[in-house]
Amino acid sequence: EAQVTQNPRYLITVTGKKLTVTCSQNMNHEYMSWYRQDPGLGLRQIYYSMNVEVTDKGDVPEGYKVSRKEKRNFPLILESPSPNQTSLYFCACGQGISEQFFGPGTRLTVL
Amino acid sequence: ILNVEQSPQSLHVQEGDSTNFTCSFPSSNFYALHWYRWETAKSPEALFVMTLNGDEKKKGRISATLNTKEGYSYLYIKGSQPEDSATYLCAFFSSSNTGKLIFGQGTTLQVKP
Repeated sequence: EAQVTQNPRYLITVTGKKLTVTCSQNMNHEYMSWYRQDPGLGLRQIYYSMNVEVTDKGDVPEGYKVSRKEKRNFPLILESPSPNQTSLYFCACGQGISEQFFGPGTRLTVL
Repeated sequence: ILNVEQSPQSLHVQEGDSTNFTCSFPSSNFYALHWYRWETAKSPEALFVMTLNGDEKKKGRISATLNTKEGYSYLYIKGSQPEDSATYLCAFFSSSNTGKLIFGQGTTLQVKP
C-alpha cells in the first residue's frame, strides 16, 4: 500500500529538548516537503526537497532543520524547540508538481 | 512573498445546494494549481491538479476551472451532501521557484442535512 508515515503522531516535550519527527514514503517520489498547520494560518511550508541531498527553505524555516540522505526519508529536526513551534505538522511527497500525498500528521506541543 | 487567497473563509449550505469557492493566485509565473479536500482529523487529499489555462476538471459532483491569465480558479460542488463537509484548500506552484508550494487558508464548508 502506497503511504506516507510520520512518527511520532503525538509528542509533548519541553523547551530546548532536541527532537526529530520522521517521515518516510514508499512511493519512490522525488519531492518531499514539511508543513505546519496553525489555526487561521492554513498550511505553511517549512522545507522541501526536490531530490536526495537537495533541500531548500519554504516560507517558515526558522527553528527547523531537515536532511535528505535517502529518497524515502525526510526527517524534520527541531534542535531547540520553543512554545511557538507547538503545531500540527504534515509531511508530504509527490512526483514533482503532481498531486501531493500527505502523512497522517504529528501533533507537537512544546511546554 | 507569493500570496494565495481563498474566499469565502467559511460557508454553510443546506443539503442539495450547489456552491462554489474561489482561489486567487499570482497570474505571473504560473506553474500549477492544486485543489485538496481536508476532512477533520484526517490528512489533505488531492482533488485536482491543473496546469493549463482554461483547464476544467471534474470528479463526480465536484469540478474546477482555471484562469491563469487573471489568476483565479473556481471549485464547484453540485448538489452538496453532508459528506462534502470539509475544508477545501488550493495550492500554487510558481515557475519562478518550482519547489515551493503555497497554500491558501482554505474554505470550510458545512453542509446541513
